[in-house]
Amino acid sequence: ETGVTQTPRHLVMGMTNKKSLKCEQHLGHNAMYWYKQSAKKPLELMFVYSLEERVENNSVPSRFSPECPNSSHLFLHLHTLQPEDSALYLCASSRDVSSYNEQFFGPGTRLTVL
Amino acid sequence: GQQVMQIPQYQHVQEGEDFTTYCNSSTTLSNIQWYKQRPGGHPVFLIQLVKSGEVKKQKRLTFQFGEAKKNSSLHITATQTTDVGTYFCATNTGANSKLTFGKGITLSVRP
Repeated sequence: ETGVTQTPRHLVMGMTNKKSLKCEQHLGHNAMYWYKQSAKKPLELMFVYSLEERVENNSVPSRFSPECPNSSHLFLHLHTLQPEDSALYLCASSRDVSSYNEQFFGPGTRLTVL
Repeated sequence: GQQVMQIPQYQHVQEGEDFTTYCNSSTTLSNIQWYKQRPGGHPVFLIQLVKSGEVKKQKRLTFQFGEAKKNSSLHITATQTTDVGTYFCATNTGANSKLTFGKGITLSVRP
């Protein structure tokens, strides 16, 4: 409904698995973001992409690997995750990375790491 | 780094009551954005405030930016069950449109 879609909506994985989260925006935006939302914590920005170029990496462990093949698609590749990585992972987009742009969020992927 | 604080994290009101919540910072903010996240949903942008003392209204919701640009308020008149959700404030910090979010306040409304 917001023009940002995410798949899968739910994911359960073991610590040795490799999986990928996908995000697609249909809004013609140039900036895309990955956020992590855990219980009782603020939304945490993970990565920012501007026109397919990563412009911000917020000290995220290397077991999270983002990929932005074009301005409409964003992936988050996951490998050897830990149980504490269980969270809601939200993708968002905005017109560009200039300040004061509202961000449009996707529905999120609920990730459980066993 | 610049932070925005939202306290308390939970509030319960009776339907029809007014509700006010605040977003506070120890430093001057460039802007404030407010988002609402319904239970099981994702954050949805509500409003942005940029100017000192700015007031914006959306139906029963009134948003205000403090004169010193260090705080913001969200006021809901005559709450309804559809107002249930978590309200986040956020501010742009640094470059690249980075948004720093508060922890949010979760509002429940008793019918």
